Amino acid sequence: DIQMTQSPSSLSASVGDRVTITCRASQSISSFLNWYQQKPGKAPKLLIYAASSLQSGVPSRFSGSGSGTDFTLTISSLQPEDFATYYCQQSYITPPITFGQGTRLEIK
Amino acid sequence: QVQLVQSGAEVKKPGASVKVSCKASGYTFTSYYMHWVRQAPGQGLEWMGIINPGGGSTKYAQKFQGRVTMTRDTSTSTVYMELSSLRSEDTAVYYCARTSYYDSSGYYDKWGQGTLVTVSS
Repeated sequence: DIQMTQSPSSLSASVGDRVTITCRASQSISSFLNWYQQKPGKAPKLLIYAASSLQSGVPSRFSGSGSGTDFTLTISSLQPEDFATYYCQQSYITPPITFGQGTRLEIK
Repeated sequence: QVQLVQSGAEVKKPGASVKVSCKASGYTFTSYYMHWVRQAPGQGLEWMGIINPGGGSTKYAQKFQGRVTMTRDTSTSTVYMELSSLRSEDTAVYYCARTSYYDSSGYYDKWGQGTLVTVSS
């Protein structure tokens, strides 16, 4: 199975900050990497698919990059509604589909 | 609009089975695979398996082989996930989520609202 490792596991930041979350795959997954945002008590929401494509309706302050084994999710200017947990997910070699362990983004 | 509506919360005793439903609407049911993903309290996301609503074929995560069964009813656009021999570690929110049959990117663009299954004696 492909292991997905996110860093950091948690992060404190302020409104207006630029934030980067990293996801590393245990082997190459090309660009089959997706990012989700999850708020407490809610289902995950798709932000970025295929490593760098912005899902319709998602603000442009979110962006993704990378290929192979190393990927990043960047939020260019944090807004209050962005404080949540973020997950990466690989869909290259399946089954199984695997997720990172999550990055909790908290208000500083 | 596209919706995945899941059945309500369940409380089960250890050793019992639970069957969760996920009713799809607003799109062609057979054009999207349906997956089940669970999340234990305070934990991350765990993939359980996938069903092709068109033909009914399934693939399960090795961890759940022998305990999980995914089925579908095309007449009602509903998929089901049944988990047997429940133990306390199965306490979690269970989500259905779809991926496109025609796009190999494998991303979940729509999720159900989640169903809390609590296993307790």
